[in-house]
Amino acid sequence: EVQLVESGGGLVQPGGSLRLSCAASGFTFNSYWMTWVRQAPGRGLEWVANIKEDGSEKYYLDSVKGRFTISRDNAENSLYLQMNSLRAEDTAVYYCARDVDCNYWGQGALVTVSS
Amino acid sequence: DIQMTQSPSSLSASVGDRVTITCRASQDISNYLAWFQQKPGKAPKSLIYAASSLHSGVPSKFSGSESGTDFTLTISSLQPEDFATYYCQQYYSYPFTFGPGTKVHIK
Repeated sequence: EVQLVESGGGLVQPGGSLRLSCAASGFTFNSYWMTWVRQAPGRGLEWVANIKEDGSEKYYLDSVKGRFTISRDNAENSLYLQMNSLRAEDTAVYYCARDVDCNYWGQGALVTVSS
Repeated sequence: DIQMTQSPSSLSASVGDRVTITCRASQDISNYLAWFQQKPGKAPKSLIYAASSLHSGVPSKFSGSESGTDFTLTISSLQPEDFATYYCQQYYSYPFTFGPGTKVHIK
């Protein structure tokens, strides 16, 4: 059974940093692109970033470029999102998802950026 | 960026109704289109990928089709568990983009 479990969410002040993790199991992690998607409270889904199987290609939403970094550790079956210079508008539930078409999703991690 | 629009933004339907939701891309995305279902407080769930291919375990009452840059999600006979918000997403060109969602209410 495919499982994706996010962790690392929490409350952070504007300008602060947070690192999200996503632990994957039930599939061959190093054979899939991985994706981060977020959802602000009461809003729709927003694609954030994705990363190729071997980490050699990464793509980002313009509004997070230069502030967020997606990475993966295939030996640990883990996906990460390092978030720096956080803004109030980054407040959202962050989901990790498998592949470019997001065919499986984690339960999400809430990130709240507020003073 | 490719803009995705959905219509209607919300609809009311009864159990047993046939429901159709439309998603339109602002430019050609081939068939790189996925549909998701999301219930309140839950993570989205994949329904369809490549415009018309059913994700594993998704009941056959869900179907997808395409016509140029217009894509359709159809639920053949609405059941109580189908009341949710539905999103489309293009994964043809970066940044990948989602439609704004269609909320299906109980009539």
